[in-house]
Amino acid sequence: GENVEQHPSTLSVQEGDSAVIKCTYSDSASNYFPWYKQELGKGPQLIIDIRSNVGEKKDQRIAVTLNKTAKHFSLHITETQPEDSAVYFCAASIASGSARQLTFGSGTQLTVLP
Amino acid sequence: GEEVAQTPKHLVRGEGQKAKLYCAPIKGHSYVFWYQQVLKNEFKFLISFQNENVFDETGMPKERFSAKCLPNSPCSLEIQATKLEDSAVYFCASTPQGTTGELFFGEGSRLTVL
Repeated sequence: GENVEQHPSTLSVQEGDSAVIKCTYSDSASNYFPWYKQELGKGPQLIIDIRSNVGEKKDQRIAVTLNKTAKHFSLHITETQPEDSAVYFCAASIASGSARQLTFGSGTQLTVLP
Repeated sequence: GEEVAQTPKHLVRGEGQKAKLYCAPIKGHSYVFWYQQVLKNEFKFLISFQNENVFDETGMPKERFSAKCLPNSPCSLEIQATKLEDSAVYFCASTPQGTTGELFFGEGSRLTVL
């Protein structure tokens, strides 16, 4: 089955700096890579996703890059703000109709210091 | 409704007791997923449904765990004879048919087995 590894497990940055979180996956058939943000006591919320036919996607301060050959993808957050502090999870899946069983990474606790 | 609703938020059971968790998916969403989050971070897929039919149950510990999604009723996840290692937050997520595949998560049910 799919295995997703995520690094680092914790990351502290100063407000305004950039944060980068990296993930690798094992199954070359995976073709969908979402990133979820989980705030304390809440369920994960999708912040950005990318498909294997695209190398990069950007949404305001958030960007994701995908290297299919190396089987890794990264989340980039620029101009970080205190409200970006949360646990971030990468995930990978193989589309199966509309039911995507996601395999999650182990999470990165991001702390943005004011 | 517009959100995935999970009940109860917290449940405490003695080892060997039964636990039952409920999930009302977003109206119109055909797919429901259950995930178990242990140790604050790691997500484990349990089971998915397409309407009332089991779609994928490869993650279910079948000897004690069962789940149902019946028409006009909340979905349920039941654990017979709970064990200490069942202590976790159980998340339900739903997704509509034929979309990008974003999973919409509830806020989770925290099960503590004493």
